Amino acid sequence: AQSVAQPEDQVNVAEGNPLTVKCTYSVSGNPYLFWYVQYPNRGLQFLLKYITGDNLVKGSYGFEAEFNKSQTSFHLKKPSALVSDSALYFCAVRGHTSGTYKYIFGTGTRLKVLA
Amino acid sequence: EAGVTQFPSHSVIEKGQTVTLRCDPISGHDNLYWYRRVMGKEIKFLLHFVKESKQDESGMPNNRFLAERTGGTYSTLKVQPAELEDSGVYFCASSQLPRAGDTQYFGPGTRLTVL
Repeated sequence: AQSVAQPEDQVNVAEGNPLTVKCTYSVSGNPYLFWYVQYPNRGLQFLLKYITGDNLVKGSYGFEAEFNKSQTSFHLKKPSALVSDSALYFCAVRGHTSGTYKYIFGTGTRLKVLA
Repeated sequence: EAGVTQFPSHSVIEKGQTVTLRCDPISGHDNLYWYRRVMGKEIKFLLHFVKESKQDESGMPNNRFLAERTGGTYSTLKVQPAELEDSGVYFCASSQLPRAGDTQYFGPGTRLTVL
C-alpha cells in the first residue's frame, strides 16, 4: 500500500538558518512526489514536484527538495528560513496505478521560524 | 486566472442535518478531486471526477456522502445525515489533464463542524 510519513509534527528553526522538513514514502514503482504549503486560513499551495530527472527539484519561494530513491525520501529544504515561511507543510505521493490519480498525503509538519 | 473556489468557507450544523459543499474548479480543468482532513490527521482522498463521470470514488466513507458534478463544471458534496465524525476540512482540487504527474490545485477548503 502507498503511504507517506512526515516524522516531525513540528520543526522550529531560527530565521536565517537552513531548514529541512522530512518526508519518506512507500509506493510500488517510481513515485510522483509533491510538496504543498498551507498558510493560516488559506488553501494548499503547490510548492514543487518530482516526476523524473534531476534529484534536486527547485520550487516556489526559494524551496527545494531532494529525491533520494535508496532512502525513499523527499525532504523539503530552504537555505535561509524566513519568518513568513511559518506554515503547515504537506508531502504527498502518487503512484503509477493505472487509472488512479489520487494523492496520498502525510500528516503535515508545522514549521515555525523564530525571529 | 481564478483559482479553485469553495463555498461555504465554514459550516456549523447539528448532527442529523444535511450540508452541501460546493467546489468550482479552475476553468478548463476536467479533473476534480475531493479530499478531507480530520483534525490533526492526514488529508485523505474522497473521490475523483473526470468531467461529469466518477473516475474513482474509493475514498468515500459511506453512503451518507453524495458527490455530483452535473455538466462537468462545478461539483457538490452532500452529507446527509451528518454525523459528529464528519467534522473536518473538506478540500477540493482540480487538474487539467488525467496524467499521474499532473499538478492538482487546491481550493481554500470548507471547515465543517458537526455538533
